[in-house]
Parts: sequence; C-alpha cells; structure tokens
Amino acid sequence: EPEVTQTPSHQVTQMGQEVILRCVPISNHLYFYWYRQILGQKVEFLVSFYNNEISEKSEIFDDQFSVERPDGSNFTLKIRSTKLEDSAMYFCASSAIKGPRYGYTFGSGTRLTVV
Amino acid sequence: GIQVEQSPPDLILQEGANSTLRCNFSDSVNNLQWFHQNPWGQLINLFYIPSGTKQNGRLSATTVATERYSLLYISSSQTTDSGVYFCAVAPNAGKSTFGDGTTLTVKP
Repeated sequence: EPEVTQTPSHQVTQMGQEVILRCVPISNHLYFYWYRQILGQKVEFLVSFYNNEISEKSEIFDDQFSVERPDGSNFTLKIRSTKLEDSAMYFCASSAIKGPRYGYTFGSGTRLTVV
Repeated sequence: GIQVEQSPPDLILQEGANSTLRCNFSDSVNNLQWFHQNPWGQLINLFYIPSGTKQNGRLSATTVATERYSLLYISSSQTTDSGVYFCAVAPNAGKSTFGDGTTLTVKP
C-alpha cells in the first residue's frame, strides 16, 4: 500500500533555529497538508497546498511557517525561528482529489523538540 | 467550523472485552476517518467511512451520516489495541477536523 514518508522521525533543535520538516507524499496525489499535535492534545490543521500554492491555512500558520514543493516529490514545512511552543508532532498528509473524498493518507510524523 | 465530539474520553477494559467508541459531528461531511494513534505517536488509518458499515477483523465501523454520528466497535480487545482513537471529518472540501480522541487502555 502506498505510503506518505516523513523525515526525520525526531528532530531536536535550539530555540531560534530554523527547521525544515520533509515529506514525500503519495506519487499520484495532488493535495498536500500539514497538521500538528502538541503532546496530549488533538491533531490540528496547519495548511493545505495544491497546484504549488497554499489553498487554506489556519491561524496557527503565521509568518514563521512556510511550505514548499521544491521538486516533483517532496513537500516541506519550514519554521523560520523556532519557539518552545513549536514542540509537537507534525504530520504530513496527502489526498488524491480535493476534499479528501477518498480519505487522507497520513505520514508517521516528525516529533519536533525545541530546547 | 464543524464540531467533532468523541466519547467516552477514556475507556479501560480487560483483555477480551468489547467496546464502542462514538463520534458526533455538527455538520454534513463527505469524509470521515477513524485513526488509531499508537504509543509511538503514529496515526494508523483504520477506516475511511463517510457512510455505511465496514469491517476489518476485530474492528468495525458504522456511520449514519443523516444523524451525524459514527461508531467504532472493537471486539475481543487485546493489549495492543491500547492507544488513542481519533475520528476526523471533512465537509465537501479541504481540511479535516479531528475530535479530542478516546484513550483506550486494555489491561491483561
């Protein structure tokens, strides 16, 4: 079964540093998403991306965050200057068509720890 | 936005028992998925079930879209079933909204 691959699985960074979280969505999917989950809390939507642009973003997704699809296979989330409260599990997801009528496929997540 | 409520918030079972988890949502949806989050934090997709009933081994799910709820059934529970179960819904397009989850603990 096709998978969404996320790297690294765990990243530790110092406050104020830039981090880039990487995702390889399923190859024929067209819609890409990032979610985050602060420890012990629910999964929250960050941003959706289609046709090389952001289609929707939450209020969490402020100027410190950016997304990019630098080539035909990768989808990245960049945090410019990390804060302690950015510590969370970050999930990438992809879907084949808009409005995930056939469901999202989620990656296994990147645990980001900001110290 | 759409509201998603899951119940119960916590559930403790003895191995071998059956359980039912519920997900209520406030608006019409085209997508509903059940996930199991394992102890390593990974989200494992259990069912894509915007309507109807599906079964996969000891797990089954039913969504009654007209009444805006979904149920996840776990039969003959095992310790490996422990973890958090999330329901996630999406309307016609765009993002999914997750519920707060049900934390299941299965004791040997």
